Amino acid sequence: GQQVKQSSPSLTVQEGGISILNCDYENDMFDYFAWYKKYPDNSPTLLISVRSNVDKREDGRLTVFLNKSGKHFSLHITASQPEDTAVYLCAAGQQGTGSKLSFGKGAKLTVSP
Amino acid sequence: NSKVIQTPRYLVKGQGQKAKMRCIPEKGHPVVFWYQQNKNNEFKFLINFQNQEVLQQIDMTEKRFSAECPSNSPCSLEIQSSEAGDSALYLCASSLGKNTEVFFGKGTRLTVV
Repeated sequence: GQQVKQSSPSLTVQEGGISILNCDYENDMFDYFAWYKKYPDNSPTLLISVRSNVDKREDGRLTVFLNKSGKHFSLHITASQPEDTAVYLCAAGQQGTGSKLSFGKGAKLTVSP
Repeated sequence: NSKVIQTPRYLVKGQGQKAKMRCIPEKGHPVVFWYQQNKNNEFKFLINFQNQEVLQQIDMTEKRFSAECPSNSPCSLEIQSSEAGDSALYLCASSLGKNTEVFFGKGTRLTVV
C-alpha cells in the first residue's frame, strides 16, 4: 500500500499568499522527510529535508513542519510566486546507506498572479 | 541540472518485446535507485543497488524485470516481456548513500503498444 500519502492533489494560491502542502505517512520507522519539486517534463529535485530529531526546519521562504505523533509533515511556502507553480512530492524513509524513499503521488500547486 | 543521465528519453515497444533503459548515476554515487511513475502519478520503488549489489527490490522486479549496475558501465533496467501496464516513466536516481537524499535523472518514458 501507499506508505506516504498526499491527500490533496491540487492547490491554488494567490501570489503573495502562503502555500501549505500536506503529507501523511504510515511507517513509524521513518526518520527522514523531504519535499521534492517537479516541473513538467523534468526530474524531481530536492527542495528541503528534515530528520526526525527536529520538528521544524526553515530555509528562506520554505518551512517544513514535522508532527511525529500524528505521522504528518507539511511544507509551507510564504510569499508564493508564480514560479513556485509545479508539482510537489513528499517523500519519507529511514536513514541508512541505500535506504529507499517512499514518495507521495504529488500535489500540483498553482500560484496565480 | 541533474547529473544523472538516463537513455533513451522515450521508448516504444510492442507487447512481449524486451525494453531496456540505461542510467549513468552521478559521479561518485554508489547507490542507484529505479522508480516507476505510472499514469496515476504513483512513484513505485522498483530496485536499488549499492555498487553492484542489489539492496532491495519488489516482487515485480524479481520476476519480469532485470536490473544491474556493473562496474564501469551504465546501470540498466530491462523488462523481459513488456506488458501494456508497464507503460510509465522510469526514473533512475543516485545518492552518496550516507543519507537518503537522492538525485533524479529525467527518466525514460516507456510506451507499450
